[in-house]
Amino acid sequence: ELKVEQNPLFLSMQEGKNYTIYCNYSTTSDRLYWYRQDPGKSLESLFVLLSNGAVKQEGRLMASLDTKARLSTLHITAAVHDLSATYFCAVDTSLNRDDKIIFGKGTRLHILP
Amino acid sequence: DAGVTQSPTHLIKTRGQQVTLRCSPISGHKSVSWYQQVLGQGPQFIFQYYEKEERGRGNFPDRFSARQFPNYSSELNVNALLLGDSALYLCASSFVGSNYGYTFGSGTRLTVV
Repeated sequence: ELKVEQNPLFLSMQEGKNYTIYCNYSTTSDRLYWYRQDPGKSLESLFVLLSNGAVKQEGRLMASLDTKARLSTLHITAAVHDLSATYFCAVDTSLNRDDKIIFGKGTRLHILP
Repeated sequence: DAGVTQSPTHLIKTRGQQVTLRCSPISGHKSVSWYQQVLGQGPQFIFQYYEKEERGRGNFPDRFSARQFPNYSSELNVNALLLGDSALYLCASSFVGSNYGYTFGSGTRLTVV
C-alpha cells in the first residue's frame, strides 16, 4: 500500500529564513501535488508536478519532484508570516491503476515575526 | 466560473443517524472524489467516481456509500453515524487526463454528538 511521509510534521521558523519540507513516497508515481490548508479551511492547490525533474516556483515557494528517488521537496525562501499554514503533499496513484491521491500527514508551518 | 461546491457547510447529527453530503463539480469535470479529514490529520480517500461509476474505494466501512448522477454531481451517504465520523468531508473534482490535478470544495464539517 502506498505510503506518503512528510517531514518535518511541525516547523516553527523565523521570518526571513529558508527551509525545506520533504515528501517521500513508497511506490511508483509520476504525479505529485502540493496543497496549502489554513485552519478551518479547505485545500488550496499550490503545485502540480508531472514528471521527473519538474520544478515549479510561485513567489517564495518552490517545489521539485524526483520520481527515481520518490521524493518531492517544497522550499520556502525568506519566509513571511503569511506563509503560516499546513502544507500537504499528495501522490497520484493512477500509474497503479488506482484512481486516487494519497496525502501525507501534513507539515504545520508557523512563521514567527 | 463556479468552483467545486459542497452542501451543507456544517452539520450536527446524533449517533445512529444517517447523513447525506452533496457535491457539484467544476463544469466539465466528470470525476469526483470524496475525502475525510479528521482534525490534525491529512485527508483520507473514501471514494472516486467517474462517469457515474465507482473507480476507487478507500478503507472505510460499508456504512459509507456514494453515487454520481448524470450531471456529474455526487452524494456521500453515511449510515449509523459514530462519534468517530466527526470530520471535515472534502469533495474534489478533476478533468481526467488533464494536468491540473484535483480541485477541492470548501468541505462539509460534520459533528456527531
